[in-house]
Formats: sequence, structure tokens, C-alpha cells
Amino acid sequence: SQQGEEDPQALSIQEGENATMNCSYKTSINNLQWYRQNSGRGLVHLILIRSNEREKHSGRLRVTLDTSKKSSSLLITASRAADTASYFCATDSGGTSYGKLTFGQGTILTVHP
Amino acid sequence: DTAVSQTPKYLVTQMGNDKSIKCEQNLGHDTMYWYKQDSKKFLKIMFSYNNKELIINETVPNRFSPKSPDKAHLNLHINSLELGDSAVYFCASSRYLSGGLRKNTEAFFGQGTRLTVV
Repeated sequence: SQQGEEDPQALSIQEGENATMNCSYKTSINNLQWYRQNSGRGLVHLILIRSNEREKHSGRLRVTLDTSKKSSSLLITASRAADTASYFCATDSGGTSYGKLTFGQGTILTVHP
Repeated sequence: DTAVSQTPKYLVTQMGNDKSIKCEQNLGHDTMYWYKQDSKKFLKIMFSYNNKELIINETVPNRFSPKSPDKAHLNLHINSLELGDSAVYFCASSRYLSGGLRKNTEAFFGQGTRLTVV
């Protein structure tokens, strides 16, 4: 079954603006990950946040995790046209899942130059 | 060097045919996966192998048969292709265990195989 819901489904902004994407999930997790997919390409890992972490930064990326609300957000600051892509959250439920990821529906981000 | 490579990148075939997709990873990972991305870009796990052993089979029709000859390779064979099999298939790998301990690690994905059944 689908684990995550993401919103918005599509986001259109100007270069230099910040982009925020949200993800909700249904079951307990071991970690939550964010991936980027450029059109016609594979998925690229952006950042992983463990279930005992609340916030993590990587360059222009900031991820938060609220396990009580079963939600996460990805903030991209000072966006660039090259950030245009689809962004997916994915949860790893741990246990015997062997790293199996359950994906959200994704947010299509368009950054206009 | 490509970390996870899959071939072919594009596959167009007729209904009823049998086809295979190959995947190789050079990352030394112990776990490999097949994911299917549908036309709405929704990604769903199909299979997972750990050290050549099938771990996860997510209610996939038995026309789909994965095979892992060794830890670095995971192939996907599809029999009697149907129109609904048209999708992008992604291979991925990750390191599940290191030194006997479970690791929180990301997955590395191949570039995908776009399968079109006509």
C-alpha cells in the first residue's frame, strides 16, 4: 500500500525563492529519505533522517521530521533552475524490511530563471 | 564509473513476448531491488534480494521472475508481456549490513529501463 502522501503535487517558483515540500506517512519508520528525479533519469539520494532525529541540513537542503505527526518537510533554500525536478520522500520501516523503501507520490518542482 | 547500471535503457516489445532486464552494481552492496514506476510516477517495490537470496516479493505476478546470480547482479525476466507492464523499471542497491550491524543507508538507483509493450 502507498505509504506517503506529498504536497503540494506541483510547485512553481522563481529562482532565489525557497521551496518547501511536505510528506506524510502512515506507519512507524526507521528512517525517512528524500530523493530527486530529473526528467527521464534515475533517482538521486539527497538526504536521510533517522527516526530519532528532528532536523538535518545538507548544503541548501533542510529536512525536518516529526514522528508524532508522521510527517517530514524538505526545504530547498535559494532555489536554482537546476533544482527543477521531481522530489520524492521514501520511508524505511526497519525491522526485516532490508532497506525496502515506500515512496510518496512526489512533488514536481519547477524553478523559473 | 556507473554505480548501478541497468540495460537496456529502452525496450519496446509486443504483447506476449518474453524479455529480460539486467542490473549490475559495483558498490559492494549486499542488497538489491527492483522498483516499478508507473505512468503517474508512482514508485513501488517489486523484489528485494539480500546476498543472492529473495527477501521481498511484493505480490508481483509470477510472470515476473528475478534472478540474482551473485551479489552484484540482479536480473528481471518477464514472461508473456502485457500492455499493463509498460512502465519504467528501476534497479537499486544498498548496504543493509556492515560488520553484522544494520546500517541506515540510502539506496543507489540505476537510470531505469523504459518498457513499452505494444
